[in-house]
Amino acid sequence: DGGITQSPKYLFRKEGQNVTLSCEQNLNHDAMYWYRQDPGQGLRLIYYSQIVNDFQKGDIAEGYSVSREKKESFPLTVTSAQKNPTAFYLCASANRGAGANVLTFGAGSRLTVL
Amino acid sequence: KNQVEQSPQSLIILEGKNCTLQCNYTVSPFSNLRWYKQDTGRGPVSLTIMTFSENTKSNGRYTATLDADTKQSSLHITASQLSDSASYICVVSALMDSNYQLIWGAGTKLIIKP
Repeated sequence: DGGITQSPKYLFRKEGQNVTLSCEQNLNHDAMYWYRQDPGQGLRLIYYSQIVNDFQKGDIAEGYSVSREKKESFPLTVTSAQKNPTAFYLCASANRGAGANVLTFGAGSRLTVL
Repeated sequence: KNQVEQSPQSLIILEGKNCTLQCNYTVSPFSNLRWYKQDTGRGPVSLTIMTFSENTKSNGRYTATLDADTKQSSLHITASQLSDSASYICVVSALMDSNYQLIWGAGTKLIIKP
């Protein structure tokens, strides 16, 4: 079955550590996205990539980094520079620009900083 | 400022009853509006997507309406089931600087009680 796989589902991090969240899709989608979800707020865009080896900052990119070396993969690194990293992180993909098409989301990764 | 506001913030109804969720937006230039369903701890799943010219769209027991003049949308759920318990998110797409941007509402948390 086609879909998006995020791992790990739950992750605990000590302050000062970098962590990487994995996102893999087998939908043959060109575009991939990372969102952050906090209670009582709408999803906020961290980074997005329309094609391999290219990515753009979203609204809250500070303290995060990404890579897009393969079409299927779009890992997100939460660095120690991110002031408040505890959140639910969602990866999504779409065929073309997300304005016209529907995003397909992964199941999410919940990061907790201890 | 582009904004999407949803009401109510949360709602509790009895199984079998109908309910209507509201979405008001101040987004320009408008491209389309989508409703997503998000189960707790999971990624959002698309229910409907509506363009400027569409007034009503149904997906099973879910019916979305759009009034582009008043910039309002609603999601009506008929004969609710326990599995309808979830957050419902309204998202509006705007075409800005040749790129589509998604403006997310904070969601309405719906609880269905037996």
